[in-house]
This record gives sequence, C-alpha cells and structure tokens, in this order.
Amino acid sequence: KAGVTQTPRYLIKTRGQQVTLSCSPISGHRSVSWYQQTPGQGLQFLFEYFSETQRNKGNFPGRFSGRQFSNSRSEMNVSTLELGDSALYLCASSFETANTGELFFGEGSRLTVL
Amino acid sequence: GENVEQHPSTLSVQEGDSAVIKCTYSDSASNYFPWYKQELGKRPQLIIDIRSNVGEKKDQRIAVTLNKTAKHFSLHITETQPEDSAVYFCAGAGEGGKLIFGQGTELSVKP
Repeated sequence: KAGVTQTPRYLIKTRGQQVTLSCSPISGHRSVSWYQQTPGQGLQFLFEYFSETQRNKGNFPGRFSGRQFSNSRSEMNVSTLELGDSALYLCASSFETANTGELFFGEGSRLTVL
Repeated sequence: GENVEQHPSTLSVQEGDSAVIKCTYSDSASNYFPWYKQELGKRPQLIIDIRSNVGEKKDQRIAVTLNKTAKHFSLHITETQPEDSAVYFCAGAGEGGKLIFGQGTELSVKP
C-alpha cells in the first residue's frame, strides 16, 4: 500500500507570492490533517479535513486555507507569503478522524520564503 | 482550546538508562493521547497511544502513564539504546477535537 505522498518536496518563493501544496493520503483514508513544523515550535495544527469537510481549524491567519477532494486528496494554500511562513509542512492521513487513531505522515513540503 | 505542554525540550541519557518525558494538557475532555517519534530527516511515526479509560499501557521497553485528575501523561523508555535517539512528540485530543501536539523532546542516548 502506498504511503502518504506530498508534492512538491521543496520549493522557494518570495514574499507576497502564494503557494499550493498537495497531499495524497493512503488509499481508503478519509481524514487529512495539515501541520506546520518549525524548529522549537513542534507540530502546529493547521486544519483537518474529513470526507471533503473541514472538521477543525488551528490558530493560523486566513491566508492559510485548504480543501479536500472527493478522492480524499487534499491541498493547502498560503497566500501573501511572509518570511515567517518558511517551514516544513506535513500532512497526515488516517482512516477515521485524527483524534481516534494513528496518523500516517508524509515526508513534508519544505517551503522557503525569501 | 486544547493546549499541550511538553517537558523537557532536550534530554540526554546514557545507554541503558531510563528516559521520561512528561506532558500536560488543558482540556479535561481530552481522551486520546498518542506519542510520535521523529528520527532526524524522517517523518513522525506513532510509537504508542493511550485512551482516557486506561491508566497505563506498555509495549516492550516503552510505557505510557495517564493521570486524568492531574491532566498529565508521561512516556517512559527503559534500557535506552542509541537508536532511541530522536525527537518525541506527545499529543492530546478530545471528542470531535483537534489533535494538538506538544513542542517535542529531543532525546539523545549516548553510547
């Protein structure tokens, strides 16, 4: 069974631009969660999608948005990029909701904002 | 909302010693507490989890304890080995709630 796949793996953007990251969950998984990982801040929750609906949202500004498609693939978008958005963005899929069972993480998309 | 605090941020032990990492949570409705291990350059992976109807759970050299009254839970690793060196994250979640992670503990096991 293929694991969680994230694309692109690395990207460099400049301030003010926008970026879209993609996550393909494990086949059959209905939940996709997104986390921002930075040194010293751990894994900060962005949002969780379950069956195409946003189930929960973290404390990030409205520049961060996401969606989930009928095949459970998910995308997240960050508009008007700021230097502080530089981070590793991890997505994780689970069969049920994220608060009930194991999360399977992708390798992440490393975003650098210049 | 839910908040999870994790201590210590770094921990260094000698091979063979035990390591203990502690987490506290704020939401008394939290009922699911997983622990993830992230090796350098790798993705986080679940190593053990506990639910609020259980006080302790063991899996070989790893154990987790939960004190619902005090709202804290701990990870215990016995007979540590160099391959245990990694960053460990605790997390907590409630019914219909977000899975919130602690800040992480960087464990270093010295041979």
